[in-house]
Amino acid sequence: KNEVEQSPQNLTAQEGEFITINCSYSVGISALHWLQQHPGGGIVSLFMLSSGKKKHGRLIATINIQEKHSSLHITASHPRDSAVYICAGAKASNYQLIWGAGTKLIIKP
Amino acid sequence: GAGVSQSPSNKVTEKGKDVELRCDPISGHTALYWYRQSLGQGLEFLIYFQGNSAPDKSGLPSDRFSAERTGGSVSTLTIQRTQQEDSAVYLCASSLNSAGANEKLFFGSGTQLSVL
Repeated sequence: KNEVEQSPQNLTAQEGEFITINCSYSVGISALHWLQQHPGGGIVSLFMLSSGKKKHGRLIATINIQEKHSSLHITASHPRDSAVYICAGAKASNYQLIWGAGTKLIIKP
Repeated sequence: GAGVSQSPSNKVTEKGKDVELRCDPISGHTALYWYRQSLGQGLEFLIYFQGNSAPDKSGLPSDRFSAERTGGSVSTLTIQRTQQEDSAVYLCASSLNSAGANEKLFFGSGTQLSVL
């Protein structure tokens, strides 16, 4: 079992739908990162959070430390949101990042 | 510079040759990571530098891979005697402090390495 697991692996939705991507982890972490990678493009950091909730535009990230679970939500999804979304946990012991396998999101117009 | 800069952006080499990949992190960032990403795969950790501490080399796949970070800034990843399985995008990331210490990561655009 991977230390950081994402679900779903693939997600296709219609424009306007509310999107949720989940990330569960089994190790102690000091922070959790959500990143976005467009096809052929670079990786952009969306959020870094260690507790609670953060919001940026249409993106919302939440984390529940007790349940070792984080979610990334996209409201009013748009085709330009199509990308791979990756969560990564920073291990509390040595700050090494443990990466989820990514969720490939496709938003159809 | 304003962001993490990697060079070259593309590198084509012949099997058996050595290659050097360069990463210029954001000025003042003490933490620097190297990752590689094979086609359709996730990120694979290679090496982590934090300030003047000994680097975490636990992700280097073989002794053909080495990296250094001079003066706590620029980093060079060297692959000796390249093999076809080394073909991948090599990504560098930096953060102000350790990425576990509530710091966002900033990624370079990567070096696409193709070993023929």
